Amino acid sequence: AQSVTQLGSHVSVSEGALVLLRCNYSSSVPPYLFWYVQYPNQGLQLLLKYTSAATLVKGINGFEAEFKKSETSFHLTKPSAHMSDAAEYFCAVSEGTGGFKTIFGAGTRLFVKA
Amino acid sequence: DAGVIQSPRHEVTEMGQEVTLRCKPISGHDYLFWYRQTMMRGLELLIYFNNNVPIDDSGMPEDRFSAKMPNASFSTLKIQPSEPRDSAVYFCASSLGDRPFYGYTFGSGTRLTVV
Repeated sequence: AQSVTQLGSHVSVSEGALVLLRCNYSSSVPPYLFWYVQYPNQGLQLLLKYTSAATLVKGINGFEAEFKKSETSFHLTKPSAHMSDAAEYFCAVSEGTGGFKTIFGAGTRLFVKA
Repeated sequence: DAGVIQSPRHEVTEMGQEVTLRCKPISGHDYLFWYRQTMMRGLELLIYFNNNVPIDDSGMPEDRFSAKMPNASFSTLKIQPSEPRDSAVYFCASSLGDRPFYGYTFGSGTRLTVV
């Protein structure tokens, strides 16, 4: 069975600082991995995806994530935080069955301080 | 395409009343998913459809919940009777089932409050 663990329910960084949001997954088959972002009172928006091509994946708004099979990790990073990055971020894993039924992590809320 | 469209955006109802949430998926998407989001339980998959057929409803909390997809462009999630513990944000998402998988497109959600 697949599962996702996000380390840290809240992360606070200063504007301009590195953003690092951690995600570890468990999957019995090579997974598809995703990061979604949710702004207040909105639905989830796809930030980036890993689909077994390049292990370093670039997404929207300057975010990127690296798939590390040996560590079963898919951490999300951004070199320089912006105030507009404040949101909740969800890591998710899908396997190739059931229409790619997706399991979401508990979410990490990112705070950006001026 | 206008994306996944959910209605209403907000619903306030009294305990015991019937509530119907609606979703229009992206045209051409063959999978539709209903999720519920709460602070305590996060995002929970309730049910999903493939080509309008319910495939897995194991996440539906109890018999008070039901979902239908009468055609490729419309789905409903119904709660009857509603209870305060049903208060949550309900999201609909759609996707293509082909490989490679590109993820879901979510609607803006329906915030349900049962008083």
